[in-house]
Formats: sequence, C-alpha cells, structure tokens
Amino acid sequence: SQQGEEDPQALSIQEGENATMNCSYKTSINNLQWYRQNSGRGLVHLILIRSNEREKHSGRLRVTLDTSKKSSSLLITASRAADTASYFCATVRSGAGSYQLTFGKGTKLSVIP
Amino acid sequence: NAGVTQTPKFQVLKTGQSMTLQCAQDMNHNSMYWYRQDPGMGLRLIYYSASEGTTDKGEVPNGYNVSRLNKREFSLRLESAAPSQTSVYFCASSDGGWLYQETQYFGPGTRLLVL
Repeated sequence: SQQGEEDPQALSIQEGENATMNCSYKTSINNLQWYRQNSGRGLVHLILIRSNEREKHSGRLRVTLDTSKKSSSLLITASRAADTASYFCATVRSGAGSYQLTFGKGTKLSVIP
Repeated sequence: NAGVTQTPKFQVLKTGQSMTLQCAQDMNHNSMYWYRQDPGMGLRLIYYSASEGTTDKGEVPNGYNVSRLNKREFSLRLESAAPSQTSVYFCASSDGGWLYQETQYFGPGTRLLVL
C-alpha cells in the first residue's frame, strides 16, 4: 500500500510563480525523499530530509517536514517551464532491515511560459 | 558513467509469453530494485536485492521472478505474461545501508504491453 499521498494531484501555475506540493504519510519514518519524473523518463532524486530535520534547502527547492503531523511540503520558487514534471514523495519507514522506498501517487506540475 | 541502464526500452508480448527485463548499473551500488508504474499511480516495488546474493519480495511480487546475477546486474522475469502486467518497469540502485536508506538512481524504464 502507498505510504505517501501528495496533494494536489495536479497543479498549474505561471512561470515565475512559486509551486507548493504537500505529502502526508501514515507511519513513522527514517527519512522522506522527493523525486521528479519528466514525461516518459525515470525518476530523479531531488532532496532527502531525515526525520530529525525540519527544513532543508537545495537551490530553488525548499522542503519541510513535520513529523508530528506526518507531513512534508516541497516548495519550488521562481518556477520555470523546465520544472514541468510529476513530483513524488517517498518514505523510508522506521524499522530493522528496511530498504524499501514507498512512493505516493505524485503531483503533476505544469508551468506555463 | 551510464548510471542505470535497462533493456529493452519497449516490448509487446502475447498473453502467456515469457520475457526477461535486464538492468545494469555501473555505480558499484550494493542494492538494486524493480518497480512498476501504472497510470496515475506512484511506483510499486516488485522485488529488491539488498546486496549481491540476496533478493526479497516487495509489495507486488506475484507473477515475477528476479535474479541478482552479480553486483552490476539485476534481471526481472515474467514467466507467463498477463494483460495485468502491462506497465512501465523501472530498475533502480542505491548504496545506502539498511538504517539510512539513501538516494535511489533510476533507469529510463521499459514499457511493456501484454496483449
């Protein structure tokens, strides 16, 4: 079963605007990761945030994690047409021997030039 | 470095046929994975190999088998394909230890159509 659920399912914005996507999950986690998937391509890792971190930045990306609410958000600032893609959160559950990433269904972002 | 490569890119099968999807990575990673992605869904884990010589079932293993041939290669076999196995298949690899799962690197995918 899928651990993460992204919200919204689809998002359309103008170039230059900020895009915010949310992810909620159900069980305790070791870390949470965000991936991007361009149409017809494999997934590309964007950023990882550990369970003891609250916020992380990478270029135009800002990720927050609230373990008390079991939620994370991905903010893309000053969006570009090239940011058009699907974005997935993935969680690594706490517990021994777990290699498994569990993906949500994704948010489809369209950035209009 | 090529990263993670997958062959074939696209395949059409008839129900009942068998085939093997190939995956190779050149990053010296210990762990490898097979996922399937269906329309409107995230990725679901089929099988994984935490290290050379080991394989384990993921969320949706029925109808599939895997072989970790060596550290570089991890293949996925469909013994008797069914229309429900029409999907896009992704291979991935990572070098994380079991406590702190790190980044996974994905191949470009294999699109499989079962008629």
